[in-house]
Amino acid sequence: QKEVEQNSGPLSVPEGAIASLNCTYSDRGSQSFFWYRQYSGKSPELIMSIYSNGDKEDGRFTAQLNKASQYVSLLIRDSQPSDSATYLCAGFSGYALNFGKGTSLLVTP
Amino acid sequence: SAVISQKPSRDICQRGTSLTIQCQVDSQVTMMFWYRQQPGQSLTLIATANQGSEATYESGFVIDKFPISRPNLTFSTLTVSNMSPEDSSIYLCSGNVDRGDIQYFGAGTRLSVL
Repeated sequence: QKEVEQNSGPLSVPEGAIASLNCTYSDRGSQSFFWYRQYSGKSPELIMSIYSNGDKEDGRFTAQLNKASQYVSLLIRDSQPSDSATYLCAGFSGYALNFGKGTSLLVTP
Repeated sequence: SAVISQKPSRDICQRGTSLTIQCQVDSQVTMMFWYRQQPGQSLTLIATANQGSEATYESGFVIDKFPISRPNLTFSTLTVSNMSPEDSSIYLCSGNVDRGDIQYFGAGTRLSVL
């Protein structure tokens, strides 16, 4: 079973704080990882991809990957109320993405 | 990236009928995927559609219930057949562009079966 685990939340952070979202995966064959943001009633939107161990930064977002620990995280700096959404972690192995159940993030003004 | 147009955006259907969902990509993609997302749940892959070959279905999904067509590299359809209220869900299509592992999603079809 290729599982991707996420804490469902909700994770509540104040505006301007750093939001930290975490994900673990079971398939050591997973080669690449993705974070999608999904607003209520909308489809998933790709926000970050990461392929190698370490950090990858894009604007306010930083993705971190530790393949030895089978751990992926997403940091959102200077969180804004518009960041309130469900964040889906996905791992790619073979031909398809395996999605976690998502973490609900609430950024309070 | 890619723009994926999906229609209808929503529909209300009667039990026992069928609905065909269309997915159009603005560029050629090797593989297209169909997902189902139950309320408050994550995405469950229904099947993978390659052009010129039969779709590959995941465990728990069968071709008779969810027939898929993939006539070319930019278009695919999913039919939900003989619907029951349990089929009420959001159906999403996606395609992989750029690297083979990156997927972009259509806006989804919100299906309600009465």
